Amino acid sequence: DADVTQTPRNRITKTGKRIMLECSQTKGHDRMYWYRQDPGLGLRLIYYSFDVKDINKGEISDGYSVSRQAQAKFSLSLESAIPNQTALYFCATSDFKGYGYTFGSGTRLTVV
Amino acid sequence: TQLLEQSPQFLSIQEGENLTVYCNSSSVFSSLQWYRQEPGEGPVLLVTVVTGGEVKKLKRLTFQFGDARKDSSLHITAAQPGDTGLYLCAGARGNYQLIWGAGTKLIIKP
Repeated sequence: DADVTQTPRNRITKTGKRIMLECSQTKGHDRMYWYRQDPGLGLRLIYYSFDVKDINKGEISDGYSVSRQAQAKFSLSLESAIPNQTALYFCATSDFKGYGYTFGSGTRLTVV
Repeated sequence: TQLLEQSPQFLSIQEGENLTVYCNSSSVFSSLQWYRQEPGEGPVLLVTVVTGGEVKKLKRLTFQFGDARKDSSLHITAAQPGDTGLYLCAGARGNYQLIWGAGTKLIIKP
């Protein structure tokens, strides 16, 4: 099994729909992150969580929400999807030093 | 504002050639990480450098952290088609903030 598993891998949804992306990790790390990747813009941080009770906004949190259900599970929701949220979404985890992140394989989300 | 500039943005070379990718900033980082990403997959960590002037080698890949901890380079010797991918650098600031470069897309032609 992969260290970080994301579901679904691909999703097409309509404008205005609510959608949830799920992430689970087996690294045993407390820190988890959600990023989006757009061509030419690199990776941008949406939300991060240092433990189950600690959730923080990243640089582009508007339009997104998260839930940390357990140390191993961190989900991202788009409350009302819009076309400019079409992107690759990655979940990642790291140890407390943050010296190296382990990423999932990503979710390719298309909002039409 | 792009705090971490990667260059070149795109590089296409023949198998066997050498190449260097640069990652530059005006900011000081506590560590600098390099990742490789293949199409349809997430970035995979290659190396983390922590000390100014540090050099790390990973087979044909050599990573260097600048003395002032503001820049880094990745040198590949005798590139092979398997080196093809998107190379990303990321600088760490504070206890969580990771600043990402936009990436260098590398293609190695057989």
